[in-house]
Amino acid sequence: AQSVTQLDSQVPVFEEAPVELRCNYSSSVSVYLFWYVQYPNQGLQLLLKYLSGSTLVESINGFEAEFNKSQTSFHLRKPSVHISDTAEYFCAVTAANYGQNFVFGPGTRLSVLP
Amino acid sequence: NAGVMQNPRHLVRRRGQEARLRCSPMKGHSHVYWYRQLPEEGLKFMVYLQKENIIDESGMPKERFSAEFPKEGPSILRIQQVVRGDSAAYFCASSPALAGANVLTFGAGSRLTVL
Repeated sequence: AQSVTQLDSQVPVFEEAPVELRCNYSSSVSVYLFWYVQYPNQGLQLLLKYLSGSTLVESINGFEAEFNKSQTSFHLRKPSVHISDTAEYFCAVTAANYGQNFVFGPGTRLSVLP
Repeated sequence: NAGVMQNPRHLVRRRGQEARLRCSPMKGHSHVYWYRQLPEEGLKFMVYLQKENIIDESGMPKERFSAEFPKEGPSILRIQQVVRGDSAAYFCASSPALAGANVLTFGAGSRLTVL
């Protein structure tokens, strides 16, 4: 079985500052990793995913995440945040090639302050 | 492509009543997942279904909760004799096949309030 840890439940940051949201996972098999974003009163939207290949993956709105197998991490970063990035961010993992359910972390609430 | 459609978006029930939440997956998707999000908590997996089959219900409470995904029509999550602790947002997600390389597409959620 897989599990996901997001150590920071809330991250306040000023606009245009860099941010890192941490995600660690545990699994006995190879995994696929995902970051989802949830804006208030909405469903989750896929932000980016790691399946294979390059360990650095990017989203269209400036976020990036790096898969680090030795540290079992998939931290999300953005060099300069905007007010509109305020949302809840969920890291998720699923076993590669086994088609099992997704396991989500508890979420990190990013608050971007003016 | 209408995406994953959930209804109702908001549902209010009194203790002891039944709640029925519906989910229509994206066109072409044959797998449905239900998750529950309690206030200030993350998403908890409940059940994973494909047409006419429950694949994994390990996250479903043993009593009062049931789910189905019939050959025709939406998937339904049914909660009998609701209690205040059932108040939560219930999210449905769908995928075209076994999730993994495929990603989950989520609906906007159904928010259940039990008075």
